Amino acid sequence: EPEVTQTPSHQVTQMGQEVILRCVPISNHLYFYWYRQILGQKVEFLVSFYNNEISEKSEIFDDQFSVERPDGSNFTLKIRSTKLEDSAMYFCASSELASGANIQYFGAGTRLSVL
Amino acid sequence: GESVGLHLPTLSVQEGDNSIINCAYSNSASDYFIWYKQESGKGPQFIIDIRSNMDKRQGQRVTVLLNKTVKHLSLQIAATQPGDSAVYFCAEIDYGGSQGNLIFGKGTKLSVKP
Repeated sequence: EPEVTQTPSHQVTQMGQEVILRCVPISNHLYFYWYRQILGQKVEFLVSFYNNEISEKSEIFDDQFSVERPDGSNFTLKIRSTKLEDSAMYFCASSELASGANIQYFGAGTRLSVL
Repeated sequence: GESVGLHLPTLSVQEGDNSIINCAYSNSASDYFIWYKQESGKGPQFIIDIRSNMDKRQGQRVTVLLNKTVKHLSLQIAATQPGDSAVYFCAEIDYGGSQGNLIFGKGTKLSVKP
Protein backbone atom coordinates (compact mmCIF):
# COMPACT_ATOMS: atom_id res chain seq x y z
CA GLU A 1 0.00 0.00 0.00
CA PRO A 2 1.45 3.42 -0.91
CA GLU A 3 2.47 5.54 2.03
CA VAL A 4 3.96 8.89 2.92
CA THR A 5 7.48 8.52 4.26
CA GLN A 6 9.30 11.01 6.45
CA THR A 7 12.92 11.31 7.48
CA PRO A 8 14.46 11.52 9.95
CA SER A 9 12.16 9.98 12.54
CA HIS A 10 13.83 12.07 15.24
CA GLN A 11 15.86 15.24 14.85
CA VAL A 12 17.70 16.88 17.72
CA THR A 13 19.06 20.36 17.18
CA GLN A 14 20.38 23.34 19.06
CA MET A 15 18.33 26.49 19.32
CA GLY A 16 19.12 28.83 16.44
CA GLN A 17 20.16 26.06 14.06
CA GLU A 18 18.51 25.33 10.75
CA VAL A 19 16.70 22.03 10.22
CA ILE A 20 15.24 20.42 7.13
CA LEU A 21 12.54 17.83 7.50
CA ARG A 22 12.01 15.56 4.54
CA CYS A 23 8.95 13.87 3.13
CA VAL A 24 8.21 11.67 0.16
CA PRO A 25 4.49 11.98 -0.61
CA ILE A 26 2.46 9.26 -2.30
CA SER A 27 3.59 9.22 -5.91
CA ASN A 28 0.37 10.15 -7.73
CA HIS A 29 -0.67 12.80 -5.23
CA LEU A 30 -0.54 16.45 -6.18
CA TYR A 31 -1.35 18.23 -2.93
CA PHE A 32 1.07 18.31 -0.03
CA TYR A 33 0.75 19.51 3.53
CA TRP A 34 2.74 20.01 6.68
CA TYR A 35 1.15 19.81 10.11
CA ARG A 36 2.66 19.86 13.55
CA GLN A 37 1.61 18.41 16.88
CA ILE A 38 3.04 19.73 20.11
CA LEU A 39 3.15 16.99 22.74
CA GLY A 40 -0.30 16.30 24.14
CA GLN A 41 -2.03 18.78 21.88
CA LYS A 42 -4.01 18.60 18.69
CA VAL A 43 -2.60 18.45 15.20
CA GLU A 44 -2.25 21.94 13.69
CA PHE A 45 -2.09 22.92 10.05
CA LEU A 46 1.07 24.69 8.87
CA VAL A 47 1.03 24.90 5.10
CA SER A 48 -0.40 23.41 1.93
CA PHE A 49 1.42 23.19 -1.37
CA TYR A 50 0.30 22.60 -4.93
CA ASN A 51 1.85 23.11 -8.33
CA ASN A 52 5.15 24.24 -6.84
CA GLU A 53 3.72 27.00 -4.74
CA ILE A 54 2.13 27.53 -1.36
CA SER A 55 -1.66 27.34 -1.49
CA GLU A 56 -2.35 28.33 2.05
CA LYS A 57 -0.46 28.82 5.30
CA SER A 58 -1.41 29.29 8.91
CA GLU A 59 -0.27 31.93 11.37
CA ILE A 60 2.28 29.46 12.70
CA PHE A 61 4.04 29.35 9.34
CA ASP A 62 6.04 32.56 9.69
CA ASP A 63 9.18 33.76 7.90
CA GLN A 64 11.27 31.17 9.70
CA PHE A 65 9.50 28.40 7.79
CA SER A 66 9.77 27.49 4.14
CA VAL A 67 8.77 24.57 1.97
CA GLU A 68 10.21 23.23 -1.21
CA ARG A 69 9.72 20.45 -3.71
CA PRO A 70 13.31 20.15 -4.91
CA ASP A 71 12.65 17.24 -7.24
CA GLY A 72 9.82 15.02 -8.39
CA SER A 73 9.55 13.06 -5.21
CA ASN A 74 10.65 15.03 -2.15
CA PHE A 75 8.80 17.71 -0.21
CA THR A 76 10.76 19.50 2.50
CA LEU A 77 10.05 21.78 5.43
CA LYS A 78 12.87 24.07 6.52
CA ILE A 79 13.04 25.96 9.78
CA ARG A 80 15.78 28.58 9.48
CA SER A 81 16.51 29.37 13.11
CA THR A 82 14.86 26.94 15.46
CA LYS A 83 13.31 28.03 18.73
CA LEU A 84 12.55 25.95 21.79
CA GLU A 85 8.84 26.20 21.02
CA ASP A 86 9.39 24.55 17.63
CA SER A 87 9.82 21.24 19.44
CA ALA A 88 6.98 19.07 18.20
CA MET A 89 6.03 16.22 15.91
CA TYR A 90 5.92 17.37 12.31
CA PHE A 91 3.66 15.45 9.97
CA CYS A 92 3.68 15.52 6.22
CA ALA A 93 0.51 14.61 4.36
CA SER A 94 -0.52 14.29 0.76
CA SER A 95 -3.77 13.98 -1.12
CA GLU A 96 -4.89 13.26 -4.63
CA LEU A 97 -7.57 15.93 -4.59
CA ALA A 98 -8.01 19.35 -3.06
CA SER A 99 -11.77 19.21 -2.73
CA GLY A 100 -14.57 16.72 -2.47
CA ALA A 101 -13.34 13.58 -0.76
CA ASN A 102 -10.00 15.06 0.14
CA ILE A 103 -8.48 12.20 2.10
CA GLN A 104 -5.11 13.30 3.36
CA TYR A 105 -2.66 10.52 4.10
CA PHE A 106 -0.10 11.17 6.79
CA GLY A 107 3.45 10.06 7.33
CA ALA A 108 4.71 8.71 10.64
CA GLY A 109 6.17 12.10 11.50
CA THR A 110 9.49 13.60 12.52
CA ARG A 111 9.99 14.38 16.16
CA LEU A 112 11.92 17.65 16.39
CA SER A 113 13.65 18.36 19.69
CA VAL A 114 15.16 21.81 20.06
CA LEU A 115 17.60 22.11 22.94
CA GLY B 1 -12.33 31.44 16.83
CA GLU B 2 -14.20 28.48 15.44
CA SER B 3 -12.74 25.12 16.26
CA VAL B 4 -13.42 21.43 16.35
CA GLY B 5 -13.59 19.97 19.81
CA LEU B 6 -14.35 16.73 21.59
CA HIS B 7 -16.68 16.02 24.46
CA LEU B 8 -14.48 13.49 26.30
CA PRO B 9 -10.71 13.28 26.43
CA THR B 10 -10.64 9.58 27.44
CA LEU B 11 -12.86 6.57 26.89
CA SER B 12 -12.35 3.12 28.37
CA VAL B 13 -14.33 0.15 27.03
CA GLN B 14 -14.34 -3.59 27.43
CA GLU B 15 -13.15 -5.70 24.53
CA GLY B 16 -16.11 -6.72 22.43
CA ASP B 17 -18.26 -3.76 23.45
CA ASN B 18 -19.21 -0.98 21.09
CA SER B 19 -17.44 2.38 21.38
CA ILE B 20 -18.86 5.78 20.62
CA ILE B 21 -16.53 8.73 20.26
CA ASN B 22 -18.07 12.17 19.97
CA CYS B 23 -17.01 15.41 18.36
CA ALA B 24 -18.58 18.86 18.37
CA TYR B 25 -17.73 21.28 15.63
CA SER B 26 -18.57 24.95 15.47
CA ASN B 27 -18.11 25.87 11.81
CA SER B 28 -21.50 25.32 10.21
CA ALA B 29 -19.91 25.92 6.81
CA SER B 30 -17.68 22.85 7.01
CA ASP B 31 -18.17 20.58 4.01
CA TYR B 32 -16.29 17.46 4.86
CA PHE B 33 -15.32 15.54 7.97
CA ILE B 34 -12.78 12.84 8.60
CA TRP B 35 -12.00 10.59 11.52
CA TYR B 36 -8.38 9.72 12.09
CA LYS B 37 -6.80 7.19 14.42
CA GLN B 38 -3.39 7.87 15.89
CA GLU B 39 -1.45 5.12 17.58
CA SER B 40 1.48 5.94 19.79
CA GLY B 41 4.47 7.11 17.77
CA LYS B 42 2.63 7.09 14.47
CA GLY B 43 0.93 9.59 12.23
CA PRO B 44 -2.84 10.01 11.92
CA GLN B 45 -4.40 7.15 10.00
CA PHE B 46 -7.56 7.67 7.96
CA ILE B 47 -10.57 5.73 9.25
CA ILE B 48 -13.67 7.09 7.59
CA ASP B 49 -15.02 10.27 6.08
CA ILE B 50 -18.37 11.88 5.49
CA ARG B 51 -19.57 14.79 3.41
CA SER B 52 -21.90 17.41 4.80
CA ASN B 53 -24.74 16.25 2.54
CA MET B 54 -24.83 12.89 4.32
CA ASP B 55 -26.08 11.83 7.76
CA LYS B 56 -24.43 8.47 8.07
CA ARG B 57 -21.69 6.45 6.52
CA GLN B 58 -20.59 2.93 7.32
CA GLY B 59 -17.28 1.24 6.94
CA GLN B 60 -15.84 -1.97 8.23
CA ARG B 61 -16.82 -2.06 11.93
CA VAL B 62 -17.04 1.73 11.96
CA THR B 63 -19.93 4.11 11.42
CA VAL B 64 -19.82 7.89 11.31
CA LEU B 65 -22.93 9.91 12.10
CA LEU B 66 -23.30 13.57 11.27
CA ASN B 67 -25.93 15.78 12.86
CA LYS B 68 -25.70 19.17 11.22
CA THR B 69 -28.53 20.61 13.30
CA VAL B 70 -26.47 20.42 16.47
CA LYS B 71 -23.09 20.32 14.72
CA HIS B 72 -22.16 16.95 16.14
CA LEU B 73 -20.13 14.12 14.71
CA SER B 74 -19.69 10.66 16.18
CA LEU B 75 -17.63 7.60 15.45
CA GLN B 76 -19.04 4.24 16.39
CA ILE B 77 -16.74 1.24 16.58
CA ALA B 78 -18.44 -2.13 16.73
CA ALA B 79 -16.98 -5.01 18.73
CA THR B 80 -14.01 -2.97 19.94
CA GLN B 81 -10.70 -4.80 19.87
CA PRO B 82 -7.42 -4.16 21.70
CA GLY B 83 -5.95 -2.96 18.39
CA ASP B 84 -8.47 -0.13 18.42
CA SER B 85 -6.70 1.46 21.38
CA ALA B 86 -5.46 4.82 20.13
CA VAL B 87 -6.28 8.52 20.09
CA TYR B 88 -9.11 9.38 17.75
CA PHE B 89 -9.35 12.78 16.11
CA CYS B 90 -12.16 14.29 14.14
CA ALA B 91 -11.18 16.83 11.53
CA GLU B 92 -13.12 19.17 9.32
CA ILE B 93 -12.60 21.08 6.12
CA ASP B 94 -14.37 24.23 5.08
CA TYR B 95 -13.72 24.37 1.34
CA GLY B 96 -15.26 27.80 1.12
CA GLY B 97 -12.79 29.18 3.63
CA SER B 98 -9.61 27.32 2.80
CA GLN B 99 -7.73 25.33 0.21
CA GLY B 100 -8.48 22.13 2.00
CA ASN B 101 -6.42 22.15 5.17
CA LEU B 102 -7.75 20.01 7.98
CA ILE B 103 -8.81 21.49 11.31
CA PHE B 104 -8.36 18.88 14.00
CA GLY B 105 -10.02 18.45 17.35
CA LYS B 106 -8.01 17.69 20.48
CA GLY B 107 -8.54 13.94 20.38
CA THR B 108 -10.13 11.22 22.49
CA LYS B 109 -7.98 8.46 23.88
CA LEU B 110 -9.68 5.08 23.57
CA SER B 111 -8.47 2.32 25.88
CA VAL B 112 -9.74 -1.21 25.34
CA LYS B 113 -9.67 -3.53 28.35
CA PRO B 114 -9.20 -7.24 27.60
